[in-house]
Amino acid sequence: DQQVKQNSPSLSVQEGRISILNCDYTNSMFDYFLWYKKYPAEGPTFLISISSIKDKNEDGRFTVFLNKSAKHLSLHIVPSQPGDSAVYFCAASDRGSTLGRLYFGRGTQLTVWP
Amino acid sequence: SAVISQKPSRDICQRGTSLTIQCQVDSQVTMMFWYRQQPGQSLTLIATANQGSEATYESGFVIDKFPISRPNLTFSTLTVSNMSPEDSSIYLCSVGLPGQGVYEQYFGPGTRLTVT
Repeated sequence: DQQVKQNSPSLSVQEGRISILNCDYTNSMFDYFLWYKKYPAEGPTFLISISSIKDKNEDGRFTVFLNKSAKHLSLHIVPSQPGDSAVYFCAASDRGSTLGRLYFGRGTQLTVWP
Repeated sequence: SAVISQKPSRDICQRGTSLTIQCQVDSQVTMMFWYRQQPGQSLTLIATANQGSEATYESGFVIDKFPISRPNLTFSTLTVSNMSPEDSSIYLCSVGLPGQGVYEQYFGPGTRLTVT
Protein backbone atom coordinates (compact mmCIF):
# COMPACT_ATOMS: atom_id res chain seq x y z
CA ASP A 1 0.00 0.00 0.00
CA GLN A 2 1.58 3.24 -1.19
CA GLN A 3 1.39 5.73 1.67
CA VAL A 4 3.09 8.47 -0.34
CA LYS A 5 1.85 9.09 -3.85
CA GLN A 6 3.18 11.14 -6.70
CA ASN A 7 0.51 10.83 -9.33
CA SER A 8 2.37 12.60 -12.12
CA PRO A 9 5.19 10.44 -13.46
CA SER A 10 6.51 13.28 -15.58
CA LEU A 11 6.41 17.06 -15.95
CA SER A 12 7.80 19.23 -18.72
CA VAL A 13 8.42 22.94 -18.16
CA GLN A 14 10.08 25.70 -20.12
CA GLU A 15 13.18 27.31 -18.69
CA GLY A 16 12.38 30.35 -16.53
CA ARG A 17 8.87 29.22 -15.69
CA ILE A 18 7.60 27.66 -12.49
CA SER A 19 7.72 23.91 -11.90
CA ILE A 20 5.16 22.51 -9.47
CA LEU A 21 5.57 18.94 -8.30
CA ASN A 22 2.80 17.40 -6.23
CA CYS A 23 2.68 14.74 -3.56
CA ASP A 24 -0.16 13.22 -1.54
CA TYR A 25 0.02 11.05 1.54
CA THR A 26 -2.45 8.89 3.38
CA ASN A 27 -0.94 8.43 6.84
CA SER A 28 -2.06 11.21 9.19
CA MET A 29 0.81 10.32 11.54
CA PHE A 30 3.39 11.65 9.09
CA ASP A 31 4.86 14.83 10.52
CA TYR A 32 7.99 15.46 8.50
CA PHE A 33 8.32 15.65 4.74
CA LEU A 34 11.30 15.76 2.43
CA TRP A 35 12.04 16.20 -1.24
CA TYR A 36 14.93 14.47 -2.94
CA LYS A 37 16.36 15.00 -6.40
CA LYS A 38 17.94 12.15 -8.34
CA TYR A 39 20.10 12.32 -11.43
CA PRO A 40 20.75 9.18 -13.49
CA ALA A 41 23.48 6.94 -12.06
CA GLU A 42 23.52 8.89 -8.81
CA GLY A 43 21.85 8.44 -5.45
CA PRO A 44 19.01 10.73 -4.36
CA THR A 45 20.15 14.11 -3.03
CA PHE A 46 18.34 15.80 -0.19
CA LEU A 47 16.74 19.02 -1.41
CA ILE A 48 14.38 20.56 1.11
CA SER A 49 12.16 19.52 4.00
CA ILE A 50 9.22 20.75 6.03
CA SER A 51 7.86 19.95 9.45
CA SER A 52 4.14 19.54 10.00
CA ILE A 53 4.12 22.59 12.27
CA LYS A 54 4.79 24.74 9.22
CA ASP A 55 2.91 25.24 6.00
CA LYS A 56 5.77 26.66 3.95
CA ASN A 57 9.54 26.37 3.78
CA GLU A 58 11.71 28.24 1.34
CA ASP A 59 15.30 27.73 0.21
CA GLY A 60 16.41 29.84 -2.70
CA ARG A 61 14.50 28.81 -5.80
CA PHE A 62 12.81 25.94 -3.99
CA THR A 63 9.69 26.25 -1.85
CA VAL A 64 7.72 23.45 -0.30
CA PHE A 65 4.09 23.95 0.71
CA LEU A 66 2.23 21.66 3.09
CA ASN A 67 -1.55 21.39 3.36
CA LYS A 68 -2.16 19.03 6.28
CA SER A 69 -5.93 19.00 5.98
CA ALA A 70 -5.66 17.82 2.39
CA LYS A 71 -2.62 15.62 3.13
CA HIS A 72 -0.90 17.27 0.23
CA LEU A 73 2.44 18.90 -0.34
CA SER A 74 4.01 20.52 -3.33
CA LEU A 75 7.46 21.62 -4.42
CA HIS A 76 7.75 24.84 -6.38
CA ILE A 77 10.86 25.64 -8.38
CA VAL A 78 11.11 29.22 -9.59
CA PRO A 79 12.64 29.94 -12.02
CA SER A 80 13.19 26.50 -13.49
CA GLN A 81 16.56 25.79 -15.05
CA PRO A 82 17.71 23.00 -17.39
CA GLY A 83 19.95 21.68 -14.59
CA ASP A 84 16.82 21.00 -12.56
CA SER A 85 15.93 18.18 -14.94
CA ALA A 86 15.92 15.10 -12.72
CA VAL A 87 13.59 12.72 -10.91
CA TYR A 88 12.08 14.25 -7.78
CA PHE A 89 11.00 12.02 -4.91
CA CYS A 90 8.68 13.03 -2.14
CA ALA A 91 9.26 11.30 1.22
CA ALA A 92 7.48 11.31 4.56
CA SER A 93 8.34 10.32 8.08
CA ASP A 94 6.53 9.61 11.33
CA ARG A 95 9.06 10.76 13.88
CA GLY A 96 7.07 9.21 16.70
CA SER A 97 7.71 5.70 15.42
CA THR A 98 10.87 4.28 13.93
CA LEU A 99 13.38 7.10 13.97
CA GLY A 100 14.49 7.97 10.48
CA ARG A 101 12.12 5.63 8.62
CA LEU A 102 11.13 7.26 5.33
CA TYR A 103 8.32 6.41 2.95
CA PHE A 104 8.90 7.41 -0.65
CA GLY A 105 6.69 8.20 -3.59
CA ARG A 106 7.47 6.81 -7.04
CA GLY A 107 9.00 10.01 -8.26
CA THR A 108 8.26 12.61 -10.92
CA GLN A 109 10.59 13.09 -13.87
CA LEU A 110 11.01 16.83 -14.40
CA THR A 111 12.30 18.03 -17.75
CA VAL A 112 13.17 21.70 -18.15
CA TRP A 113 13.63 22.69 -21.76
CA PRO A 114 15.31 25.85 -23.06
CA SER B 1 26.00 15.82 5.29
CA ALA B 2 28.19 12.77 4.66
CA VAL B 3 30.14 11.30 1.77
CA ILE B 4 28.89 7.81 1.02
CA SER B 5 30.46 5.39 -1.43
CA GLN B 6 29.23 2.05 -2.68
CA LYS B 7 30.97 -0.84 -4.35
CA PRO B 8 30.42 -2.12 -6.94
CA SER B 9 28.69 0.64 -8.87
CA ARG B 10 27.15 -1.96 -11.15
CA ASP B 11 27.31 -5.67 -11.83
CA ILE B 12 25.81 -8.31 -14.05
CA CYS B 13 25.32 -11.61 -12.25
CA GLN B 14 24.03 -15.03 -13.11
CA ARG B 15 20.94 -16.53 -11.62
CA GLY B 16 21.62 -18.47 -8.41
CA THR B 17 24.75 -16.58 -7.42
CA SER B 18 25.21 -14.01 -4.64
CA LEU B 19 26.55 -10.48 -4.63
CA THR B 20 27.80 -8.45 -1.68
CA ILE B 21 27.45 -4.69 -1.87
CA GLN B 22 29.63 -2.49 0.30
CA CYS B 23 28.72 0.88 1.75
CA GLN B 24 31.38 3.16 3.22
CA VAL B 25 30.74 6.46 5.02
CA ASP B 26 33.33 9.15 5.69
CA SER B 27 32.11 9.72 9.25
CA GLN B 28 30.73 7.65 12.08
CA VAL B 29 26.97 7.22 11.90
CA THR B 30 24.58 5.19 13.96
CA MET B 31 21.77 4.77 11.49
CA MET B 32 22.20 3.13 8.12
CA PHE B 33 19.53 1.94 5.75
CA TRP B 34 19.41 -0.27 2.67
CA TYR B 35 16.90 0.43 -0.11
CA ARG B 36 15.94 -1.15 -3.39
CA GLN B 37 14.61 0.72 -6.38
CA GLN B 38 13.10 -1.48 -9.03
CA PRO B 39 12.53 -0.01 -12.49
CA GLY B 40 9.79 2.62 -12.41
CA GLN B 41 9.19 2.12 -8.72
CA SER B 42 9.80 4.11 -5.58
CA LEU B 43 12.61 3.48 -3.13
CA THR B 44 11.65 0.53 -0.97
CA LEU B 45 13.31 0.07 2.41
CA ILE B 46 14.88 -3.36 2.81
CA ALA B 47 16.26 -3.02 6.32
CA THR B 48 17.62 -0.69 8.95
CA ALA B 49 21.16 -1.53 10.04
CA ASN B 50 22.14 0.22 13.25
CA GLN B 51 25.53 -0.56 14.67
CA GLY B 52 25.44 -2.77 17.73
CA SER B 53 22.16 -4.45 16.93
CA GLU B 54 20.71 -6.92 14.48
CA ALA B 55 19.33 -5.48 11.27
CA THR B 56 15.61 -4.87 11.23
CA TYR B 57 13.94 -6.10 8.04
CA GLU B 58 10.83 -4.69 6.45
CA SER B 59 7.88 -6.81 5.48
CA GLY B 60 8.69 -8.88 2.43
CA PHE B 61 12.44 -8.99 3.06
CA VAL B 62 14.19 -11.75 4.99
CA ILE B 63 17.65 -12.18 6.39
CA ASP B 64 18.34 -15.37 4.45
CA LYS B 65 17.85 -13.52 1.18
CA PHE B 66 19.41 -10.19 2.19
CA PRO B 67 21.95 -10.72 4.98
CA ILE B 68 23.41 -7.49 6.29
CA SER B 69 26.55 -6.82 8.27
CA ARG B 70 27.34 -3.68 10.25
CA PRO B 71 30.76 -4.23 11.81
CA ASN B 72 31.42 -0.60 12.73
CA LEU B 73 30.06 2.93 12.52
CA THR B 74 31.37 3.66 9.01
CA PHE B 75 30.71 0.47 7.06
CA SER B 76 27.96 -1.96 6.11
CA THR B 77 27.38 -4.70 3.56
CA LEU B 78 24.24 -6.05 1.95
CA THR B 79 24.31 -9.46 0.27
CA VAL B 80 21.74 -10.41 -2.34
CA SER B 81 21.64 -14.20 -2.15
CA ASN B 82 20.54 -16.83 -4.64
CA MET B 83 19.70 -14.15 -7.16
CA SER B 84 16.91 -14.30 -9.71
CA PRO B 85 16.06 -11.83 -12.50
CA GLU B 86 13.47 -10.26 -10.16
CA ASP B 87 16.37 -9.01 -8.01
CA SER B 88 17.52 -6.74 -10.84
CA SER B 89 17.35 -3.32 -9.21
CA ILE B 90 19.33 -0.40 -7.95
CA TYR B 91 20.43 -0.97 -4.38
CA LEU B 92 21.12 2.09 -2.26
CA CYS B 93 22.50 2.61 1.19
CA SER B 94 21.75 5.71 3.18
CA VAL B 95 22.71 7.18 6.52
CA GLY B 96 20.59 9.13 8.96
CA LEU B 97 22.09 12.33 10.30
CA PRO B 98 20.56 14.73 12.77
CA GLY B 99 19.28 17.91 11.21
CA GLN B 100 16.98 20.53 12.69
CA GLY B 101 15.73 18.17 15.33
CA VAL B 102 15.04 15.28 13.02
CA TYR B 103 17.09 12.76 11.14
CA GLU B 104 17.65 13.37 7.46
CA GLN B 105 18.85 10.65 5.16
CA TYR B 106 21.74 10.94 2.76
CA PHE B 107 22.23 8.39 0.03
CA GLY B 108 25.10 6.66 -1.65
CA PRO B 109 25.34 6.56 -5.45
CA GLY B 110 23.71 3.14 -5.69
CA THR B 111 24.62 -0.25 -7.13
CA ARG B 112 22.90 -1.23 -10.35
CA LEU B 113 22.40 -4.98 -10.38
CA THR B 114 21.32 -6.98 -13.40
CA VAL B 115 20.60 -10.67 -12.97
CA THR B 116 20.58 -12.82 -16.10
